[in-house]
Amino acid sequence: GENVEQHPSTLSVQEGDSAVIKCTYSDSASNYFPWYKQELGKGPQLIIDIRSNVGEKKDQRIAVTLNKTAKHFSLHITETQPEDSAVYFCAASNYQLIWGAGTKLIIKP
Amino acid sequence: NAGVTQTPKFRVLKTGQSMTLLCAQDMNHEYMYWYRQDPGMGLRLIHYSVGEGTTAKGEVPDGYNVSRLKKQNFLLGLESAAPSQTSVYFCASSPQDIFITEAFFGQGTRLTVV
Repeated sequence: GENVEQHPSTLSVQEGDSAVIKCTYSDSASNYFPWYKQELGKGPQLIIDIRSNVGEKKDQRIAVTLNKTAKHFSLHITETQPEDSAVYFCAASNYQLIWGAGTKLIIKP
Repeated sequence: NAGVTQTPKFRVLKTGQSMTLLCAQDMNHEYMYWYRQDPGMGLRLIHYSVGEGTTAKGEVPDGYNVSRLKKQNFLLGLESAAPSQTSVYFCASSPQDIFITEAFFGQGTRLTVV
């Protein structure tokens, strides 16, 4: 079945710097790749998603890139701010949605 | 604008006790889901529903039962709680299948089984 690996498990960056989180998936038929942000004590919230017919998508400071050949996709956050501190989850789906283990992003002031 | 509301937010059970977790959504979504979240792991799907009166098993259904008698509510039951069911439980809803579109999550229920 599908397997999604997410790295790193913890990422600490200086405020204002960029952060990159990477995920790899195993099922080449996967066609939908969402990213969710989970703040402390809250449920996950979708921040951006990409489909297999698109290579890159941007939304203000957030971007996601997809490499179908290598079966990996990445989340890029530029000009990080304190409110970006959270746990970020990637996921991949074909007929079921499989989640990565999460990355705890820490923004240092 | 409540979105997805879970009740209760915290609960401690003794091994063998039963309980029901309630999820309510006010967005008129057809699809609803129950997930569990354990440290160092991604979300794992327990059960889901594609509409009122329907339920289906997810990735880790053993030890749980669900019901969707009303479109807006999705109940998760533990008949005989075990320590392995200690987890944070999330309910979610979506207008279409979560495999293709955004899902909206509740704030979670932290369950401890002792």
